[in-house]
Amino acid sequence: GAVVSQHPSRVICKSGTSVKIECRSLDFQATTMFWYRQFPKQSLMLMATSNEGSKATYEQGVEKDKFLINHASLTLSTLTVTSAHPEDSSFYICSAMHGTVHTGELFFGEGSRLTVL
Amino acid sequence: SQKIEQNSEALNIQEGKTATLTCNYTNYSPAYLQWYRQDPGRGPVFLLLIRENEKEKRKERLKVTFDTTLKQSLFHITASQPADSATYLCALGRDSNYQLIWGAGTKLIIKP
Repeated sequence: GAVVSQHPSRVICKSGTSVKIECRSLDFQATTMFWYRQFPKQSLMLMATSNEGSKATYEQGVEKDKFLINHASLTLSTLTVTSAHPEDSSFYICSAMHGTVHTGELFFGEGSRLTVL
Repeated sequence: SQKIEQNSEALNIQEGKTATLTCNYTNYSPAYLQWYRQDPGRGPVFLLLIRENEKEKRKERLKVTFDTTLKQSLFHITASQPADSATYLCALGRDSNYQLIWGAGTKLIIKP
């Protein structure tokens, strides 16, 4: 099946620094990618929808200046957590749609565990 | 508001038995429902999709039912194995966009 690669899988940073997470579709082109945040034992929370060549669409309550999303190519989307603080520590997951909306299958990256000290 | 409920307590099943997980939803009319498997520290993996006009879908040892009147989906794993132990998430979507609404998942533990 389609493969989505996410990097890094784990990152520890100091408070105030910025962290970039990459999401790549390895064997297909993804015009749309999604970024999620997941807290322990909770559901996936959609943060934003990333569209190739245009601005990302952010969900209500998600600060676009805090979580910068860039989708510069059909195979790469990046999420940058700017001026990270301990409350930003979480599991961040990207996904990409392969096929049409009628098949609806999402392929997920392996996730990135961010720990802000 | 839209709400998806999955059993928050872990489900313990003896190896070889059938595991049944439940997904209930309210205030939403999905065009399709999906089930994903998620292992600790990993991203979800797609398992099955069932559309609103389908009652049942099967894939190997997996079976999903979808009752739009009850607003419920049941996810069955037959002949369960310890390797089936994971958290299973249900997600609902509409054809109008790619976005899904997610349940919090049920942790399944298959005991040898």
